[in-house]
Amino acid sequence: GQSLEQPSEVTAVEGAIVQINCTYQTSGFYGLSWYQQHDGGAPTFLSYNALDGLEETGRFSSFLSRSDSYGYLLLQELQMKDSASYFCAVVYSTGKLIFGQGTTLQVKP
Amino acid sequence: GAGVSQSPRYKVTKRGQDVALRCDPISGHVSLYWYRQALGQGPEFLTYFNYEAQQDKSGLPNDRFSAERPEGSISTLTIQRTEQRDSAMYRCASSLQGSSQPQHFGDGTRLSIL
Repeated sequence: GQSLEQPSEVTAVEGAIVQINCTYQTSGFYGLSWYQQHDGGAPTFLSYNALDGLEETGRFSSFLSRSDSYGYLLLQELQMKDSASYFCAVVYSTGKLIFGQGTTLQVKP
Repeated sequence: GAGVSQSPRYKVTKRGQDVALRCDPISGHVSLYWYRQALGQGPEFLTYFNYEAQQDKSGLPNDRFSAERPEGSISTLTIQRTEQRDSAMYRCASSLQGSSQPQHFGDGTRLSIL
């Protein structure tokens, strides 16, 4: 089967750096994506890792290690607006996404 | 429109009724996906279309669920003989073709079965 594990909640202060980890038990996937969701709104795409290593997009970076079945999302210079749920998802060849349960990030002043 | 449009936004119906949920993808997006999301959970894959062809329906829970995209644009997800356990947020997403393409999600249809 497919399963992805993420911490359920993470709390950090404004301006700090936070890392949200994602471990998975699946194979045959093309890459790992991260999506952000505010208060039950539409999930929005943040990043995609097809290869092992770090991908950087502004304040957000994402990492994948297939040998360790592990990835993470790194958020720098946290802002209050970053308070949201973050989902990792494995991506299959068709583009089908299998999501983790999500991590709720709370940013405090 | 600029984004993925879903209708209705909310649907309340009695158990046993059929419901049809509509998704209008971003213009030019050939790939269309349906997901279901329970409160506090990640979206759960239901089915996928490439143009008008349903390529993967492995996530549909049972034969009461069906989907179509007859002209390769608008899609309809139909649930027959609804049950209370079908209550959830149903989300549609579209993308350009290719696994690396980001999926753009609609605001969803909140379905409540009484």
